[in-house]
Amino acid sequence: KQEVTQIPAALSVPEGENLVLNCSFTDSAIYNLQWFRQDPGKGLTSLLLIQSSQREQTSGRLNASLDKSSGRSTLYIAASQPGDSATYLCAAKGGTYKYIFGTGTRLKVLA
Amino acid sequence: NAGVTQTPKFRILKIGQSMTLQCAQDMNHNYMYWYRQDPGMGLKLIYYSVGAGITDKGEVPNGYNVSRSTTEDFPLRLELAAPSQTSVYFCASSYGSLRLLDTDTQYFGPGTRLTVL
Repeated sequence: KQEVTQIPAALSVPEGENLVLNCSFTDSAIYNLQWFRQDPGKGLTSLLLIQSSQREQTSGRLNASLDKSSGRSTLYIAASQPGDSATYLCAAKGGTYKYIFGTGTRLKVLA
Repeated sequence: NAGVTQTPKFRILKIGQSMTLQCAQDMNHNYMYWYRQDPGMGLKLIYYSVGAGITDKGEVPNGYNVSRSTTEDFPLRLELAAPSQTSVYFCASSYGSLRLLDTDTQYFGPGTRLTVL
């Protein structure tokens, strides 16, 4: 059974710092790995999707990597800003409908 | 496009009451999903649908029912509400093509916050 874990559960950093969020999964048989952003009281917004055949994806200041063999993905945020404060969730897609979500990392960027 | 819409945004129910959470999408997506998110937890799949007239159970279906009579709508019904159903409910949709398994992404609604007292 696929399990997805995110560490740390919460993170507080000063503005401008580069940071890494971690996501690990137990079953490497995935179609893709997605990172989502969730603002308080809002739904989830997809940030990056890494296909199983890819190693990384980039969007602006965000870079996500995928290492299927070790069951790990990281989300790198460069030059963090207060507007990046949110909860970040990763989800592993294991089937046509099966998305297993981690519990999220709550990020606070201090001005 | 409005994307995925959900109503209501908030609701308080008494134990034993019933209600329907509405979900609609205007992206012509085949797949639709209902999740619940409890504090500090990841999303758990309640039910999903791969097309009109086809639904199936997810991880935590007990106490819920769904129907999908059209491509656009996927309502979730709670019968006999219990305090354990206090949660935030998210509806999502995805295109769902078997040819696009690697790239298929989910789009989420804003959620319904439900409290059962």
